[in-house]
Amino acid sequence: EAGVAQSPRYKIIEKRQSVAFWCNPISGHATLYWYQQILGQGPKLLIQFQNNGVVDDSQLPKDRFSAERLKGVDSTLKIQPAKLEDSAVYLCASSPPGRRLSSGANVLTFGAGSRLTVL
Amino acid sequence: GIQVEQSPPDLILQEGANSTLRCNFSDSVNNLQWFHQNPWGQLINLFYIPSGTKQNGRLSATTVATERYSLLYISSSQTTDSGVYFCAVFRYTNAGKSTFGDGTTLTVKP
Repeated sequence: EAGVAQSPRYKIIEKRQSVAFWCNPISGHATLYWYQQILGQGPKLLIQFQNNGVVDDSQLPKDRFSAERLKGVDSTLKIQPAKLEDSAVYLCASSPPGRRLSSGANVLTFGAGSRLTVL
Repeated sequence: GIQVEQSPPDLILQEGANSTLRCNFSDSVNNLQWFHQNPWGQLINLFYIPSGTKQNGRLSATTVATERYSLLYISSSQTTDSGVYFCAVFRYTNAGKSTFGDGTTLTVKP
């Protein structure tokens, strides 16, 4: 099966500019996650979608970050305006539907990530 | 929220040596995963292990949910095992919210 696709792989912008990242999850995966990984730290969950509905966005800085998942497939994460501290790798992951452990629910598959540098 | 602590933060081994990585978590969880992040940044799922023991080649993992910890064992380490190992826990009561530890950085020297 094809993996989780992300683009762009790298992006350099100046502070106060805007940027958008795109993610295409594994076909049939109902749950999609966006994580922020700052150098030297573990990934931090920004937002989780179940189909096209938001399940958890408690750690998303909503004054500057937004995300959408139209038609329950692709997703876009936007930052506007960017700050220096937004420099990080933005990781997208997806997992199969369901909550039964046997179904592999919550078994995450990650994309390669999008590395953002804010100058 | 739930706290996830990994130890040791850094580990340097000679090729062929064995190692044990630990993940402690502060509350009950519904499942737990171990990941390896390679030097190019790709996160690869190693184990999905809410409880019990699993083995895959030279790697094995054990989760003791009642005592809130998980262990990842690497035997006969190889240079390709180098990278960062992350533990992530999930709680359905928080709508499947996941929490990652800060990882163990493993360097295997030839």
